[in-house]
Amino acid sequence: DAKTTQPTSMDCAEGRAANLPCNHSTISGNEYVYWYRQIHSQGPQYIIHGLKNNETNEMASLIITEDRKSSTLILPHATLRDTAVYYCIVRGDYTGTASKLTFGTGTRLQVTL
Amino acid sequence: ETGVTQSPTHLIKTRGQQVTLRCSSQSGHNTVSWYQQALGQGPQFIFQYYREEENGRGNFPPRFSGLQFPNYSSELNVNALELDDSALYLCASSLGGGQGNQPQHFGDGTRLSIL
Repeated sequence: DAKTTQPTSMDCAEGRAANLPCNHSTISGNEYVYWYRQIHSQGPQYIIHGLKNNETNEMASLIITEDRKSSTLILPHATLRDTAVYYCIVRGDYTGTASKLTFGTGTRLQVTL
Repeated sequence: ETGVTQSPTHLIKTRGQQVTLRCSSQSGHNTVSWYQQALGQGPQFIFQYYREEENGRGNFPPRFSGLQFPNYSSELNVNALELDDSALYLCASSLGGGQGNQPQHFGDGTRLSIL
């Protein structure tokens, strides 16, 4: 699986958009970009994933660059409850061990009043 | 739709003991993956079960073993517990053997402490 690079931490004011970047310059053609977040003392929560097109759901939007070497997770109106560690993960379209999620250190997003 | 549930939520054991952790997968999901998360680190893949068989394994010793039942629920067993086994153990369920376009959904884990 391709490695990802994320900033260690970010701050965002409540009500503003939170834009979390991720670099995955060695991504392969069949690898998806996944985003999870983990709020303290809880399990990781799936947010969104995509292959090449931009994606949007009720939680967030995922913008993937045309060369697929980087992506941005957008939380349109951040709230205090969005404070968490956000993980960007690249995973191939495989089964078994190769389908594992490889978590890095993630970005710690702090939403403030 | 019922999410992933794990039991117990907390557990304290001593070195050398054995432990069994349980996971009920999300409704309709046939694949279960287990992860270990040490304090301050990201989750690490232990193994995956699909159709009641181990379908992949990470870098964990054989004293970590598992089972999947016909209803797709799963157990993680750890023998000869060591202090370094203290961690949050996470279960994630998904569809289709964990294919890349199927997200894994996590439970809130079992916090295991070894004394």
